[in-house]
This record gives sequence, C-alpha cells and structure tokens, in this order.
Amino acid sequence: EAGVTQSPTHLIKTRGQQATLRCSPISGHTSVYWYQQALGLGLQFLLWYDEGEERNRGNFPPRFSGRQFPNYSSELNVNALELEDSALYLCASSLLARSYNEQFFGPGTRLTVL
Amino acid sequence: SQQGEEDPQALSIQEGENATMNCSYKTSINNLQWYRQNSGRGLVHLILIRSNEREKHSGRLRVTLDTSKKSSSLLITASRAADTASYFCATSGGSYIPTFGRGTSLIVHP
Repeated sequence: EAGVTQSPTHLIKTRGQQATLRCSPISGHTSVYWYQQALGLGLQFLLWYDEGEERNRGNFPPRFSGRQFPNYSSELNVNALELEDSALYLCASSLLARSYNEQFFGPGTRLTVL
Repeated sequence: SQQGEEDPQALSIQEGENATMNCSYKTSINNLQWYRQNSGRGLVHLILIRSNEREKHSGRLRVTLDTSKKSSSLLITASRAADTASYFCATSGGSYIPTFGRGTSLIVHP
C-alpha cells in the first residue's frame, strides 16, 4: 500500500511569490493535516481537512490556505512568500476514528524562500 | 503554543546503551503519541498510549504515561546507530489535532 506522497520534494521561490504544495493521502484516509517545521523547531499545525472541508486551522496568517479535493488529496497554497516561510512542510493523513488518530506522514516539501 | 515538551533537547549515547526521553504537557489529554523523524524527513509513528493506560511496549520501545504528573517517557533499549533521529511526543485532547513538542535529538554512536 502506498504511503502519503508529497510534491515537489524541494521548492525554491523568491519573496512575494506564491507556492503550491501537494499531498496525496493513504488510500481510504479522509483526513489531511498540514504542518510547518522550521529549522530547529517542532511541528506547527497549519490546517486540517476532512471530507473536503476545512475543520481547523492553526495560528497562521490568511495567506496560508488550502483545499481538499474529492479524491481527498490536498493542496497548500502560500501567497506573498516571506523569508521566514522557509521550512519543511509536512502533510499527514489519518483515518479519523473517535477521539484519537494515528497520523501517517509524507516525506515533506522543503520550501526555500530567497 | 506547544503542548508537549521533550527533555532532554539532545542525547548522545553509545550503541547498546538505553536511551530515555521525557515529555511533559500541561492540560488533560486523551492520548499521547511518540514519533521518530530521520534527518529532515517525514515522521514515523512509533506508539500511541491512551490516557487510561500506564505502560506500553513495542519491540525495544517502552512508553510510560503518568497522568497525575502530566508526563510520559520513551525508553529505547539496546540502542543501535540506526536509532539516531529526532523523537517527538504529540498530545491529543478534545480536538483531533495532535500537538507536537520540539523533539529530542538522539545520536547513537557505533
């Protein structure tokens, strides 16, 4: 069974540009989570999508947005890129079940903003 | 804000020794999970312990949970060089969003 996949692996952009990151969850998983991991820091929760709807978002400005498609894949868009947006962006999927969920992570997209 | 905080920040040991990492948190939880991350890659789920459990084992891993002290520990026995990685705890409360700590960086020297 294929795991969570993310594309691209690396992305280099300049300040002010827009970035689009993609994630495909494990087959059968309906929930997709996005996290930002800046150098030396833990994972900061960005967005949670389930069944095509945004269920929760972390403490990030509106220029971080995304969506989930009918096939449960997801896109993260970052507009007006800033230098501090440089980070590893991790996507995870889960099969939502009651009050706990094991998340399966993709390999990440490393975004560098110059 | 971060819920779980791992301690120590970094740990360096010799192959064959045991490694212990701790996680403290502030509010009540439904479960706590431990993850491993190899050098800037995705996270791998290691073990989940529910709030009504006190100890769980998985291979060379042993996790304890003390809800009265709001803390958990991860013990890796007979460590190997391949265990070199960062280890994160993640707590889940009323929401479905696990909150991650900053991690413990473990280096196992061959």
